[in-house]
Amino acid sequence: ETGVTQTPRHLVMGMTNKKSLKCEQHLGHNAMYWYKQSAKKPLELMFVYSLEERVENNSVPSRFSPECPNSSHLFLHLHTLQPEDSALYLCASSHDRLTANYGYTFGSGTRLTVV
Amino acid sequence: RKEVEQDPGPFNVPEGATVAFNCTYSNSASQSFFWYRQDCRKEPKLLMSVYSSGNEDGRFTAQLNRASQYISLLIRDSKLSDSATYLCVVTDTGGFKTIFGAGTRLFVKA
Repeated sequence: ETGVTQTPRHLVMGMTNKKSLKCEQHLGHNAMYWYKQSAKKPLELMFVYSLEERVENNSVPSRFSPECPNSSHLFLHLHTLQPEDSALYLCASSHDRLTANYGYTFGSGTRLTVV
Repeated sequence: RKEVEQDPGPFNVPEGATVAFNCTYSNSASQSFFWYRQDCRKEPKLLMSVYSSGNEDGRFTAQLNRASQYISLLIRDSKLSDSATYLCVVTDTGGFKTIFGAGTRLFVKA
């Protein structure tokens, strides 16, 4: 496999459920990101990991919990979400935090619906 | 004022037309600039970086105007397959802050 792979592609969950989104990159990149894309809104940066260390957390509610066990994998653990959390969640990677200047590679995203 | 602002469109153009999008940014210290393309219900994909000297890739030309703080994307000889949302992306010095515009929708019709 190449590029950035996200699973699942689609997820429907109740507000009391716990689920996890998974991202895997096969590019040898050292920085990984979670973005949220809501309808008709710009992408919102949620978390940044550089060399497996969280370097940015953009005031994201605690019901979203990221995990980066190694430089190739990134998870987003979800619990007690709200309907307004329904969105497309995109994982991205770049060679490192500084070479985000050269652009990101995005995964295909997880379309999340909270019911 | 939004940090990165784009005309949402949609732009409806016939095949073969030339179309241009602008994007303005508010931070004069911004360092790097990009155009991404996002197809419906798909992830964004890097289309091209934007350099001060301007750059061209086939039918696509990107330009940066630092004095007026805007970037542009020109598409010549539009194809049906160019229909997508085009995202303007700006990063600050050091690449620590990346801001995405909300995107401009383009529809190319036969």
